[in-house]
Amino acid sequence: SQTIHQWPATLVQPVGSPLSLECTVEGTSNPNLYWYRQAAGRGLQLLFYSVGIGQISSEVPQNLSASRPQDRQFILSSKKLLLSDSGFYLCAWSHPGDRYSPLHFGNGTRLTVT
Amino acid sequence: AQTVTQSQPEMSVQEAETVTLSCTYDTSENNYYLFWYKQPPSRQMILVIRQEAYKQQNATENRFSVNFQKAAKSFSLKISDSQLGDTAMYFCAFMRGLNRDDKIIFGKGTRLHILP
Repeated sequence: SQTIHQWPATLVQPVGSPLSLECTVEGTSNPNLYWYRQAAGRGLQLLFYSVGIGQISSEVPQNLSASRPQDRQFILSSKKLLLSDSGFYLCAWSHPGDRYSPLHFGNGTRLTVT
Repeated sequence: AQTVTQSQPEMSVQEAETVTLSCTYDTSENNYYLFWYKQPPSRQMILVIRQEAYKQQNATENRFSVNFQKAAKSFSLKISDSQLGDTAMYFCAFMRGLNRDDKIIFGKGTRLHILP
């Protein structure tokens, strides 16, 4: 069966510090991978998605970046965090060959920038 | 661009009652997919139900059912015999479904409280 791991679960970082959130998927190959951010009252905002290694599409211009160094690994990064980066970050994957495939989410990372 | 609108930010109903959450979307596509996700206090996102636009029959999953009105671009979720465990944030979502890189777009959610 497929599983998705996301870490850390909670993170408190000062403004200006770097960020690295990691997500890995097991039990499937070549998944579509996604990073979402959930801010209070704003629902889920798609940040990045990837259909393959090294292929990253950005949905929202910001100081965040994403990378996919391996097939089932997706990393969200920032060189310098802003207060507005605080939120709940969710990684998700879906089957590439199934048009009906729903998203499968990780447990999320709560990021607080102080 | 596709958009998803959930007009009810928050709702409360008594346990065992039936509740309907509304969702409308905007698209010029004919083929697409619609989803309802549930996010309980644990914040784990859980798929509740899904609907293919080309299917006229409304999807049903136990106590959860949808009222899909394609012409009106409406996709409401009905929860029958509501239970305390249904307390959660509910998100409506849309996916165009033509290409591999089509993304799922979410509404802003409806916070549902089931009262004992």
